[in-house]
Amino acid sequence: EVQLVESGGGLVQPGGSLRLSCAASGFTFSSYWMSWVRQAPGKGLEWVANIKQDGSEKYYVDSVKGRFTISRDNAKNSLYLQMNSLRAEDTAVYYCARKGIAARHFDYWGQGTLVTVSS
Amino acid sequence: QSALTQPASVSGSPGQSITISCTGTSSDVGGYNYVSWYQQHPGKAPKLMIYDVSKRPSGVSNRFSGSKSGNTASLTISGLQAEDEADYYCSSYTSSSTWVFGGGTKLTVL
Repeated sequence: EVQLVESGGGLVQPGGSLRLSCAASGFTFSSYWMSWVRQAPGKGLEWVANIKQDGSEKYYVDSVKGRFTISRDNAKNSLYLQMNSLRAEDTAVYYCARKGIAARHFDYWGQGTLVTVSS
Repeated sequence: QSALTQPASVSGSPGQSITISCTGTSSDVGGYNYVSWYQQHPGKAPKLMIYDVSKRPSGVSNRFSGSKSGNTASLTISGLQAEDEADYYCSSYTSSSTWVFGGGTKLTVL
């Protein structure tokens, strides 16, 4: 059974940093592109970033470029999101999602971890 | 990277059919057959319902169907059931090798 479990969320002050993790199991992690998608409270979904199987390609939504870094450790079946210079508008539930092989959709999602940026 | 446009809400009675539209541009919806739809119940993670415009993942009811014309994609749910009440989001791959979601549509089953 595919499982994605996010962790690392919490309360952080504006300008602060946080590192999210996503532990994957039930599939060959190193064979899939992985993504982060966020959802601000009461708002819609927003794609944040994704990373190729070997980490050689990464893409970001404009609003986080230069502040967020996506990475992965295939030996640990883990995905990460390093978030720096956090702003109030980054407050959201952050979901880890798997992109289907040779696909352009997200076939499995984690339950999410809440990041709150507030003083 | 503007969000795709969806109606904020739709409603229907049990047994009826409803359609949710999703409008983008030639750089996303209109440019690729990579539109997907996700169902999200309150407090839950999104669930893939339709991918590549009209394909259904294994386990998704055939009451859910998708289509596209030009820059607008649509999700149709036939034979509405109470458990279909949820938020629905469309998504499209884009020419920038990124993804864009719609603002979401709240479906109410009357």
